[in-house]
Amino acid sequence: EVQLVESGGGLVQPGGSLRLSCAASGFTVSSNYMSWVRQAPGKGLEWVSVIYSGGSTYYADSVKGRFTISRDNSKNTLYLQMNSLRAEDTAVYYCARVKHGENIYYYYYMDVWGKGTTVTVSS
Amino acid sequence: DIQMTQSPSSLSASVGDRVTITCQASQDISNYLNWYQQKPGKAPKLLIYDASNLETGVPSRFSGSGSGTDFTFTISSLQPEDIATYYCQQYDNLLRFTFGPGTKVDIK
Repeated sequence: EVQLVESGGGLVQPGGSLRLSCAASGFTVSSNYMSWVRQAPGKGLEWVSVIYSGGSTYYADSVKGRFTISRDNSKNTLYLQMNSLRAEDTAVYYCARVKHGENIYYYYYMDVWGKGTTVTVSS
Repeated sequence: DIQMTQSPSSLSASVGDRVTITCQASQDISNYLNWYQQKPGKAPKLLIYDASNLETGVPSRFSGSGSGTDFTFTISSLQPEDIATYYCQQYDNLLRFTFGPGTKVDIK
């Protein structure tokens, strides 16, 4: 069964760090594009970061320079290292697989999602 | 940056009603538009990709259309299990994604 399971969330003080993990089963993380999406309490979805199968990474402006997306191929796991955390980073963090299809162009969509892990930044 | 707007922000309809949600991009995004359903306390679920393609296993009462800047998501006959918030999502050529603000759908 294709599945993603996030872990690593918790309570952290402003300015602190946290590393989120996303363990995949049923498919290979390194062969896919993978992404992190977050949702602040009572708010909508916000894209955070993506890592290509080739290793390129991109970030939302709101986290650029503070968050780092990476993966461990031997563990088939995606990570999100979060530094210099702020109160506004408080959210449920989801990892998702980004699949692509081809018509006369490539198209992309997030087809598998984890259940999320909660990060609370507060003193 | 491309901005996404959705309307309405919320709606209330009766079981069996046709429900339509619109999503507008601030610039031409071709067909790079997906739709997701999110129920309270759950992860989002892909419903429509590439503007109009139904994800495998999703009921046929869900559909999407549009291209360029204007897109429409339709539930042809609203069911009680469709109570959720629906999000459109676009992406650029670097796969930087943007979600619309969401439309909350309730039963009247």
